[in-house]
Amino acid sequence: SQQGEEDPQALSIQEGENATMNCSYKTSINNLQWYRQNSGRGLVHLILIRSNEREKHSGRLRVTLDTSKKSSSLLITASRAADTASYFCATDASLVAGNMLTFGGGTRLMVKP
Amino acid sequence: SQTIHQWPATLVQPVGSPLSLECTVEGTSNPNLYWYRQAAGRGLQLLFYSVGIGQISSEVPQNLSASRPQDRQFILSSKKLLLSDSGFYLCAWNYGPVYTFGSGTRLTVV
Repeated sequence: SQQGEEDPQALSIQEGENATMNCSYKTSINNLQWYRQNSGRGLVHLILIRSNEREKHSGRLRVTLDTSKKSSSLLITASRAADTASYFCATDASLVAGNMLTFGGGTRLMVKP
Repeated sequence: SQTIHQWPATLVQPVGSPLSLECTVEGTSNPNLYWYRQAAGRGLQLLFYSVGIGQISSEVPQNLSASRPQDRQFILSSKKLLLSDSGFYLCAWNYGPVYTFGSGTRLTVV
């Protein structure tokens, strides 16, 4: 079953606008990650935020984490047409060895030029 | 550097035919390996994962199987494909918290 659920499922904005995607999860986590997937390609890691962090930045990306609400948001500022992709949040579940991620259903972002 | 290779990129197979998708990782030892399936416009469904050679765990009962004959090789197989096996298959590996994905295989069963 999916641990993370993204909201909205689809988002269409104009180039230059900000895009905000949200993720909710159900159980305690060690970290939460965001991945990007271009159409027909594999996922690419964007950013990781640990459970003891509340906010993290990477370039035009800003991620927040609220463990009390079990939610995270990904903000892309000054969006570009090249940001058009699907964005997935992923949370970990402990394994005997390794870190297993559970992915949400994703948000499909379209940035219109 | 660490890389992951997945092939083929696309595959069209008739119902009832066998399947073999291969994934190899370079530049790391003893990675955790994963096979995911993604339906069109949907999220990722974990099919199999492996923490070592010959160690396979299945998440979803189905007519697919996985094997790990070598440390950095992960194979997804089926003896007889079903129409419902169509989808986008992704291989991934990790050694820490971050996953690295292959480029995916688009499988169409006709």
